[in-house]
Amino acid sequence: GAGVSQSPSNKVTEKGKDVELRCDPISGHTALYWYRQSLGQGLEFLIYFQGNSAPDKSGLPSDRFSAERTGGSVSTLTIQRTQQEDSAVYLCASSLGFSPGYEQYFGPGTRLTVT
Amino acid sequence: GEDVEQSLFLSVREGDSSVINCTYTDSSSTYLYWYKQEPGAGLQLLTYIFSNMDMKQDQRLTVLLNKKDKHLSLRIADTQTGDSAIYFCAASKGGNNNDMRFGAGTRLTVKP
Repeated sequence: GAGVSQSPSNKVTEKGKDVELRCDPISGHTALYWYRQSLGQGLEFLIYFQGNSAPDKSGLPSDRFSAERTGGSVSTLTIQRTQQEDSAVYLCASSLGFSPGYEQYFGPGTRLTVT
Repeated sequence: GEDVEQSLFLSVREGDSSVINCTYTDSSSTYLYWYKQEPGAGLQLLTYIFSNMDMKQDQRLTVLLNKKDKHLSLRIADTQTGDSAIYFCAASKGGNNNDMRFGAGTRLTVKP
């Protein structure tokens, strides 16, 4: 079946511009997660959504980052006024339920380069 | 130090066993995971172990957990060239706090 998809796969943007990254989770998965993978670093948790509950934003690195999840399905991660340190691979994952025992299925990621 | 640490590189010969090590700092971690990332692909969960277990075996994979030392290892028996990838160790506390902490990943290179 279809896995988690993300778009675009690559994005090059100029410093100061806004970008939107999209994630389509697996149908029926109630939990959705955003991570960031910087070069040589481990994955950094950004935000998660569980059903219709308010998202846990505690991992967002700054107020330039925001995320939405419409209708409990598709999610967009928005980075305003991008900076060079925002360059990274942004990974989205979804899981059937919200507990660590539910496997998180990851998308292929969006590689963001801020010039 | 980082929450989850692992060595960055490992090189083995085809047919040998690979052992990838990981240490974590949070003793309340309940679930420990190993993920595999192949080039151009997303992370794939290989296996996970609960903190009340000390070993889990799944075909060629063996996970060992030393909870006292907060040390986790992944052993791949009879390593094949297709096992070449980056392997990520991760830990989470469980409950409502699904804040998985990942290591930086170990790049495994399998030489023929």
